[in-house]
Amino acid sequence: DAGVTQSPTHLIKTRGQQVTLRCSPKSGHDTVSWYQQALGQGPQFIFQYYEEEERQRGNFPDRFSGHQFPNYSSELNVNALLLGDSALYLCASSLGSGRRTYEQYFGPGTRLTVT
Amino acid sequence: SQQGEEDPQALSIQEGENATMNCSYKTSINNLQWYRQNSGRGLVHLILIRSNEREKHSGRLRVTLDTSKKSSSLLITASRAADTASYFCATGPVGTDKLIFGTGTRLQVFP
Repeated sequence: DAGVTQSPTHLIKTRGQQVTLRCSPKSGHDTVSWYQQALGQGPQFIFQYYEEEERQRGNFPDRFSGHQFPNYSSELNVNALLLGDSALYLCASSLGSGRRTYEQYFGPGTRLTVT
Repeated sequence: SQQGEEDPQALSIQEGENATMNCSYKTSINNLQWYRQNSGRGLVHLILIRSNEREKHSGRLRVTLDTSKKSSSLLITASRAADTASYFCATGPVGTDKLIFGTGTRLQVFP
């Protein structure tokens, strides 16, 4: 049973550039959530996708956008990168549609460094 | 913003001792969960306690929840060096299935 996978593992970008991070959910899961974790902090909720639509959003600017594909995989896009966007980006999958166990399964994360 | 705060921020103990971490949160919740994170990588789900439960056990883990005080505790009994990690509480606010994480407790268990 494949768990949550994320790619790439590490990424270095320059201020002003754009980045795309990818996530494949755990087998059988249909909901994907994205979190940003700054060094020494807890993860912060960015947004959640279900049925290819953004269902919930945290307090992040529009520079952060996402997409969910029919196979439930997801992408996180960040435009006009700032130094403060340097963080570990975590993807989590779960079951939506009312079958809410509330447990989320996390991937290993993508470490983004903005220089 | 962070929903909860863990206490203590850091904890160092010897193998075999018990470790207790506390979490406080701010709003009404559906459930509270505890996660472990090793070396800044992905989080591992440990245990979930629903708002109508007061105590839950899983192996060496014991979680309590006091909704009147908006607080929870995680007890790890007979700790092992492999328990060294950061531990986060996360709440599921009413009306949503997103998670709001606390600031974490860094636990170090010495052999």
